[in-house]
Order: sequence, then C-alpha cells, then structure tokens
Amino acid sequence: AQSVAQPEDQVNVAEGNPLTVKCTYSVSGNPYLFWYVQYPNRGLQFLLKYITGDNLVKGSYGFEAEFNKSQTSFHLKKPSALVSDSALYFCAVRDYSSASKIIFGSGTRLSIRP
Amino acid sequence: DTGVSQDPRHKITKRGQNVTFRCDPISEHNRLYWYRQTLGQGPEFLTYFQNEAQLEKSRLLSDRFSAERPKGSFSTLEIQRTEQGDSAMYLCASSLADRDRGEQFFGPGTRLTVL
Repeated sequence: AQSVAQPEDQVNVAEGNPLTVKCTYSVSGNPYLFWYVQYPNRGLQFLLKYITGDNLVKGSYGFEAEFNKSQTSFHLKKPSALVSDSALYFCAVRDYSSASKIIFGSGTRLSIRP
Repeated sequence: DTGVSQDPRHKITKRGQNVTFRCDPISEHNRLYWYRQTLGQGPEFLTYFQNEAQLEKSRLLSDRFSAERPKGSFSTLEIQRTEQGDSAMYLCASSLADRDRGEQFFGPGTRLTVL
C-alpha cells in the first residue's frame, strides 16, 4: 500500500534562513508526489508535484522539492524563509490502487520566527 | 470566486441528529472528492465521484454516511445519527479527470462539532 511519512511534527526556522520539511514515501511503481499547505481557516492549497522528469520541482511561493528515488524522499525546501510561510504542510502520494485517491501524511507545522 | 465552496463552514449538532453538507466544485471539474480531517492528522479519503457516478468509497464511510452528486455538479454529504467521533473537518475537492495526475483543488471545509 502507498504511504507517506513526515517525521517532524514541527519545524522552527528563523526568517531569512533556509528551510526543509521532510517527507519519505512508500509506493509500488512510479510515485506521483505532492506538497500541500494549509493556512488557518483556509483550505488546502496545492504547492507542487512530482510526476516525472527533473528531480528538482519548483512550485508556488518560492518553494521547491527534491525527489530522491534511492532515499524514497521528497523534501520540501525554500532558500529563505518568510514569516508568512508559517503554516501546516502536508506531503501526499497518489494511490495507484485508486483512480484518484490521494494519501496524505500527518503534516508538519512550520513556524518562522522574525 | 471560482474556487471550491462548501456550506456551511461550521456546524454544531447534538449526538443523534442528522447533518448535511454541500460542496460546489470548480465548474468545469468532473471529479469531486470528500475527505475527513481530524486534529493533528492529514486528510483521509472518504469517497469520490466522476460526474454523477460514485466510483469509490472508503471503509471509513460507515452506513450512516451517504454522499450524492445528482446532476454531476454540486455534491452533498449526509451523516445520520451523528456520533461524537464524527467531529472533524470535512473537506471537498475537485479536479479534471483528463488532467488528473492527482492535483486536486480543495474547498475551505466544513467543521462539524457533535456535542
């Protein structure tokens, strides 16, 4: 069965510093991987996805993610954090057993201090 | 606003009552999904529709839950005889099947509190 793991419940970073939010996955076959962000009182917003091709995927708000097949990881990164990046981040994988189901990780709360 | 909308945003009900939530997807999207999210967890898939056909249901969807999408546009999710364990955020999402590599567009959710 497909699954994703986010090993950190919370990540704290100072504004202006680089940030990394970790994600590892387990799939059979080629993975479709995603990052979503959830701000308070707002719906989940799509950030970026990896389907195939370049291992470094660029997304919204200056975020990028690196797909690493050998380590089965898909870590989210940003070179310089902003206070406004503080939110809940979810890694997700497409479930091949279903036509459309997405399986989400448990989420990582990112806190950027001024 | 052409995004996914959900109504109501909040619902407080007493145990044993029935509740119904509505989701209006992005207009050209033919796939519609329902998820449930509890505190500290990621969303969990409940069910999805392609047009008016309900194509998959999770084991999380007990007999007390029913979802419809009668005209292939908006959808409703009904919970009968609510229990305290039903308290959660119910999320709706939509996508286009022919471009569906998994990217789904989510609504703001309906937060259900069962007293």
